[in-house]
Amino acid sequence: DAGITQSPRYKITETGRQVTLMCHQTWSHSYMFWYRQDLGHGLRLIYYSAAADITDKGEVPDGYVVSRSKTENFPLTLESATRSQTSVYFCASSEVGPSYEQYFGPGTRLTVT
Amino acid sequence: GQQLNQSPQSMFIQEGEDVSMNCTSSSIFNTWLWYKQDPGEGPVLLIALYKAGELTSNGRLTAQFGITRKDSFLNISASIPSDVGIYFCAGQGYGNKLVFGAGTILRVKS
Repeated sequence: DAGITQSPRYKITETGRQVTLMCHQTWSHSYMFWYRQDLGHGLRLIYYSAAADITDKGEVPDGYVVSRSKTENFPLTLESATRSQTSVYFCASSEVGPSYEQYFGPGTRLTVT
Repeated sequence: GQQLNQSPQSMFIQEGEDVSMNCTSSSIFNTWLWYKQDPGEGPVLLIALYKAGELTSNGRLTAQFGITRKDSFLNISASIPSDVGIYFCAGQGYGNKLVFGAGTILRVKS
């Protein structure tokens, strides 16, 4: 049971580059989420998706783009990376809804130089 | 927006001791979740609470949903070295989405 996986686990990119973080879940959960984790801020929601082709903004969506063409995948794209987007990114999924149990992936540590 | 205050920020305790941490919110929540995060890993769900007054256990862990619906606490009994990590609370916030606390760092002295 693979659960929820993220790739890459580590990424270094330059300011201005486009980078895509991948998230894949094998549970067929309807809901998927992207969070960023920064010291002093805890986990903050970037975007979430209730189903394929349905996405919505979270607390900190600026500079990010998401898509969800298949239930199991929820990629996060930084269209033009900035240093302030250096962070650890976590994908999560939920069977029931955004205010219920969420299960997290192992994270992607992104550094923007 | 809604905020969660989690305390203490960190704890350094002796192995075998009981641990208590709590979260308070500025508004009423309908859900409280407790997670643990090990270094380099994603948060792992420990306990989920959906009803005011609910008391739920998971092994040595016990969590309660406060009667006022504005707080929750997590207790760990007889701590062991593998309890080290960061513990997060999360509650249903504005717009029906989860809001996370800043975390409690637990260090155990063996």
